[in-house]
Amino acid sequence: TQLLEQSPQFLSIQEGENLTVYCNSSSVFSSLQWYRQEPGEGPVLLVTVVTGGEVKKLKRLTFQFGDARKDSSLHITAAQPGDTGLYLCAGGNSWRPNAGGTSYGKLTFGQGTILTVHP
Amino acid sequence: ETGVTQTPRHLVMGMTNKKSLKCEQHLGHNAMYWYKQSAKKPLELMFVYSLEERVENNSVPSRFSPECPNSSHLFLHLHTLQPEDSALYLCASSQDWDGSYEQYFGPGTRLTVT
Repeated sequence: TQLLEQSPQFLSIQEGENLTVYCNSSSVFSSLQWYRQEPGEGPVLLVTVVTGGEVKKLKRLTFQFGDARKDSSLHITAAQPGDTGLYLCAGGNSWRPNAGGTSYGKLTFGQGTILTVHP
Repeated sequence: ETGVTQTPRHLVMGMTNKKSLKCEQHLGHNAMYWYKQSAKKPLELMFVYSLEERVENNSVPSRFSPECPNSSHLFLHLHTLQPEDSALYLCASSQDWDGSYEQYFGPGTRLTVT
């Protein structure tokens, strides 16, 4: 069974501060996705990283995929109240012949990081 | 309408009721999913449909019954639920049933079982 551990689970910071959320696993993933979810809504896809060592930037958000494709991080610079929400990482695997099982059809989700940015 | 839509957004039902959740995707995707999201737990995958065929059933109790009449619509039929079934039920779709494809979520149905 593949597991993804996110840390921290809760983060409460002031506007303007920087923060990093981590997503770690002992398993290799072919892709890793980050989502943000606001209360009462479904998760919204922020980014997908697929190459070991890949770095993607989305305005003040920087996403990195570990070289071994087992971990990822999300760094937010100068956080704003609008960044408040639940951040989820999810690892996926492409179909491989003779891999066995059906794990390639699933996304494995971390438990999420609840971020609160105070004005 | 664009993306993935779900109705109703909120549902309160008694343990003896029968209700259905509806999901519709306007993305031309081939795979659709039902997830359960409870407080302090990771998203739990319930069912996966690929080209209208169920390909995954994650040991979900029979009081939850999915239906996929076509690749754009997915239903979750509910009957004799328990209070612990109260949660946010999310529908998602992806291009195909493969973990390398991005999943797009609907806004969810907040279900309360009384």
